[in-house]
Amino acid sequence: GAVVSQHPSWVICKSGTSVKIECRSLDFQATTMFWYRQFPKQSLMLMATSNEGSKATYEQGVEKDKFLINHASLTLSTLTVTSAHPEDSSFYICSALRGPAGAGETQYFGPGTRLLVL
Amino acid sequence: QKEVEQNSGPLSVPEGAIASLNCTYSDRGSQSFFWYRQYSGKSPELIMFIYSNGDKEDGRFTAQLNKASQYVSLLIRDSQPSDSATYLCAVMGDYKLSFGAGTTVTVRA
Repeated sequence: GAVVSQHPSWVICKSGTSVKIECRSLDFQATTMFWYRQFPKQSLMLMATSNEGSKATYEQGVEKDKFLINHASLTLSTLTVTSAHPEDSSFYICSALRGPAGAGETQYFGPGTRLLVL
Repeated sequence: QKEVEQNSGPLSVPEGAIASLNCTYSDRGSQSFFWYRQYSGKSPELIMFIYSNGDKEDGRFTAQLNKASQYVSLLIRDSQPSDSATYLCAVMGDYKLSFGAGTTVTVRA
């Protein structure tokens, strides 16, 4: 159990276009999902927390108008990179929170989406 | 700010040996601790989680937690070449994970 999928796994787009990435929890419901970004040889950087039925919470320095997050259901969160530019090229990874409240909650990661903006 | 420090790598061990990874954290109120494995170019994969002081074993992996010392460790017994990866220590607070920088382990055949 605890499988998280992402789609697409790879995307190449032209500068100025928008790209949508889907994150799904396949065998459990997740009221909370997270979006990370990872540049080569660097640590994961949390971008935002996605909550089902409410607005996402963005980390400091992350532009909410550029990275649109929608958590439409208990199994689906989407990240849309609007007007993508080459500097947005990165590895985008989502995770879903599973488990009982308090100690016991665990984040399970999706396989990631590699974005290349030309 | 929650800080998580891992022993600097890279760590190179011969096949069959024990790899020992260490991690300390700054938030004394932390309750949940995780070890993730990340292969190059892939996303993190959960290996172990531990919430209580003491040892927790799962196959060749043993996690150790000492909340008084704010210390978490991971032992990999009988290391295999397939264990070569970066290991991330993570501490959860307010549902968010704070990660260490990671320790890269190379198992020499």
